[in-house]
Amino acid sequence: AQSVTQLGSHVSVSEGALVLLRCNYSSSVPPYLFWYVQYPNQGLQLLLKYTTGATLVKGINGFEAEFKKSETSFHLTKPSAHMSDAAEYFCAVSRGGSQGNLIFGKGTKLSVKP
Amino acid sequence: KAGVTQTPRYLIKTRGQQVTLSCSPISGHRSVSWYQQTPGQGLQFLFEYFSETQRNKGNFPGRFSGRQFSNSRSEMNVSTLELGDSALYLCASSLARLGDEQYFGPGTRLTVT
Repeated sequence: AQSVTQLGSHVSVSEGALVLLRCNYSSSVPPYLFWYVQYPNQGLQLLLKYTTGATLVKGINGFEAEFKKSETSFHLTKPSAHMSDAAEYFCAVSRGGSQGNLIFGKGTKLSVKP
Repeated sequence: KAGVTQTPRYLIKTRGQQVTLSCSPISGHRSVSWYQQTPGQGLQFLFEYFSETQRNKGNFPGRFSGRQFSNSRSEMNVSTLELGDSALYLCASSLARLGDEQYFGPGTRLTVT
């Protein structure tokens, strides 16, 4: 069975500081990994995804994530936080194909202080 | 290209009633998935439809059902509503190739009183 653990339900950073949101996954098959962001009263927007190949993945809005198989991790980072980054972030795993449904972590709410 | 649309956006129903939610996927997408989002349980997968067939199902009671039409539009139905069914219901569409991401609609906020 697949599962996702996001460490820290709330993370608070100052504007301009590094953003680090942690995600660990469990999967019996090579996983497809995703980060989504959700703003209040909206659906989920894809930030980035890992399928195969390069383990450092760049996404939208300056975010990136690194797939580390040995650590079963897929942490999300951004060098410098902006106020507009305040939202909830979800890490998700999928087996792909006909088993392509997403298994989500519980989410991390990011606050950005001025 | 238009995104995933869901109707209605907000809905208030009474316990025991039934409700139907609608989702129109991105043009060309044949896979539609439904998720329930609640503060307590987070995001949980309900079911996926591909080419009018349910091919994947989450762990929800039979009161939750869905269908997909030939134009890929999908509906989900919840019968005999319970207070615990209050949630944001999200629809997502995908090309469903290996590694493809899912594109989410804005959701339908269902409140059961």
